[in-house]
Amino acid sequence: AQSVTQPDIHITVSEGASLELRCNYSYGATPYLFWYVQSPGQGLQLLLKYFSGDTLVQGIKGFEAEFKRSQSSFNLRKPSVHWSDAAEYFCAVGTGGATNKLIFGTGTLLAVQP
Amino acid sequence: GAVVSQHPSRVICKSGTSVKIECRSLDFQATTMFWYRQFPKQSLMLMATSNEGSKATYEQGVEKDKFLINHASLTLSTLTVTSAHPEDSSFYICSASGGRNEQFFGPGTRLTVL
Repeated sequence: AQSVTQPDIHITVSEGASLELRCNYSYGATPYLFWYVQSPGQGLQLLLKYFSGDTLVQGIKGFEAEFKRSQSSFNLRKPSVHWSDAAEYFCAVGTGGATNKLIFGTGTLLAVQP
Repeated sequence: GAVVSQHPSRVICKSGTSVKIECRSLDFQATTMFWYRQFPKQSLMLMATSNEGSKATYEQGVEKDKFLINHASLTLSTLTVTSAHPEDSSFYICSASGGRNEQFFGPGTRLTVL
């Protein structure tokens, strides 16, 4: 069965520090992978996506993610975190095709210390 | 582009009443729309998938007679929570897809049932 695991429920980093949010997936075929960010009481904003090609994907707001098939991972990174990055981050795998469902991880809540 | 709106953003209703939530794709034709439910501090759970002009497909455990979904056009889907009860209080988020393995999310609707 398809699944997404985000091992870290809550992460706190200092402003200006680097960030890595972990995501592991389980999916039989080639996955479509996404990272979304959600501010409190808001919908989801797409940060970046991987469908194929270059395994290092650049997104908005200075985020990037690397697809590693051998590790079934799609970790999100940012070299220098800003206070405005504090939010909930969701990794998701898309099934594509006719059903085109998204399966979400449980999310990682990022807190940024001044 | 790819903007999805939801209306209302917040709704408070009395127990036993029905509530309708609208989801619109503003600048593209959505062949498929999805409805999610999100409890506080939890991830998004897919409730149902709807394709324009056909019946919605509900996920296991979701009562189709309680959560009525209509996808009457390529830009509009509605979710009606019938005979709402306090346990139906949640954050409901829709998304829309134009068939490119990607979903675009609405801003969500906060439902509170008294």
